[in-house]
Formats: sequence, C-alpha cells, structure tokens
Amino acid sequence: GDSVTQMEGPVTLSEEAFLTINCTYTATGYPSLFWYVQYPGEGLQLLLKATKADDKGSNKGFEATYRKETTSFHLEKGSVQVSDSAVYFCALRLQGGSEKLVFGKGTKLTVNP
Amino acid sequence: NAGVTQTPKFQVLKTGQSMTLQCAQDMNHEYMSWYRQDPGMGLRLIHYSVGAGITDQGEVPNGYNVSRSTTEDFPLRLLSAAPSQTSVYFCASRDSTGEQYFGPGTRLTVT
Repeated sequence: GDSVTQMEGPVTLSEEAFLTINCTYTATGYPSLFWYVQYPGEGLQLLLKATKADDKGSNKGFEATYRKETTSFHLEKGSVQVSDSAVYFCALRLQGGSEKLVFGKGTKLTVNP
Repeated sequence: NAGVTQTPKFQVLKTGQSMTLQCAQDMNHEYMSWYRQDPGMGLRLIHYSVGAGITDQGEVPNGYNVSRSTTEDFPLRLLSAAPSQTSVYFCASRDSTGEQYFGPGTRLTVT
C-alpha cells in the first residue's frame, strides 16, 4: 500500500549545523509530497510542498526536492536555529483527487544553542 | 479568521463513557478530517468528509462516529471510550489548493 518512511529520531544538532531529514515514499502514480512541522503543544503546519517530479519546495530556509527516480523528498536546511526545534512529518497525497494524506511517523529535531 | 478550532483542549474519560470532540472551521472548506496522533505512529486518518452530508472512513474508524450537517462543523463522537483511544486528536480542513489546516488538538485520556 501507499506509505511514507522517514528517518527515525530524535535528531539533536547544534545551532548553525546542517540538517537533513530523509523521507522516502511508496505510492502508485505521481503523488503530491509535503513536509509539515509541529511545534510543541501545537497542531501541524504546512512547511513546504511539491506536486510533481523535480519540483523544489522551499520555506523559511528549508528545502526539499521531489525525486521520482529515488522516490524521495528529503528535507534540508543549511543552518538550523533553536527555534527550528519541532517534530517534522513527511506526507503524501495520492494522485487523482484523493483527499487522504498519508503521514510518516515524524522526526523530532532538537537544536541546542 | 479563527481557522480550525477544537474543543476541549484536554479531556479525561472513564472506560465506557461517551463524549463528542468538537471541530469547527470558518474558511468555508468542503473537506474536513479527523486524525489521531500516537507516539511512534505518526498521524492516522479516522474519518473524513468531502462536504456537508458526506462522510467516509479512514484508516482507523472503529469506535468513532462522525456527521457533517454543516460546512463549518465536523464533530467526532466516541460512543463507548476505551483505553486504546487515549491519544491526541487533530481536526483539519483543506482548501482548494490542497493545503491542510490543522486545529490545535484535543488530548484525550481514557482510564
């Protein structure tokens, strides 16, 4: 079935370090791909998205590129801040108008000063 | 706009009790959904609705009922709570571009 696999956490980094959170997916067709962020005590917020192969989503210094050949959508940031500490979720929405989002299990990121 | 609102924020139930988690949105979105979030499991879809009067089951619907009498409201009902339903529940609505907007969540404990 359709699924999303993202790297296990938790991830702990120092401020200004480079961040990569891996995400791969299994789906038929050409899904749309998303990264959501959840700050402590809050709901999820959309961080970035990509709707077709080779698209790059970007927001707040984060980037992810839709790689069809490797079925991946890895999240990267060149220099993390303490305020980036949160749980990050990779998700897909199936092609063809399906309304359902399929989420990965989440990766907790802690950035230390 | 208030966005997606949920009440209550916290709730403790005894096994067998019933309750309704409320969800409302003021963005006129047709699509709404309920998820539960459990440690190490990510978010799992419980029920969803593509418009008033239309609901469907998600990945984990057992033990939950929903209805959608208006565009704005999408309540989730637990008819007989079980400890396995201890979780954080999120309601979401979706706009025409596909972006989902999540509520702040309800933390439910069933003892």
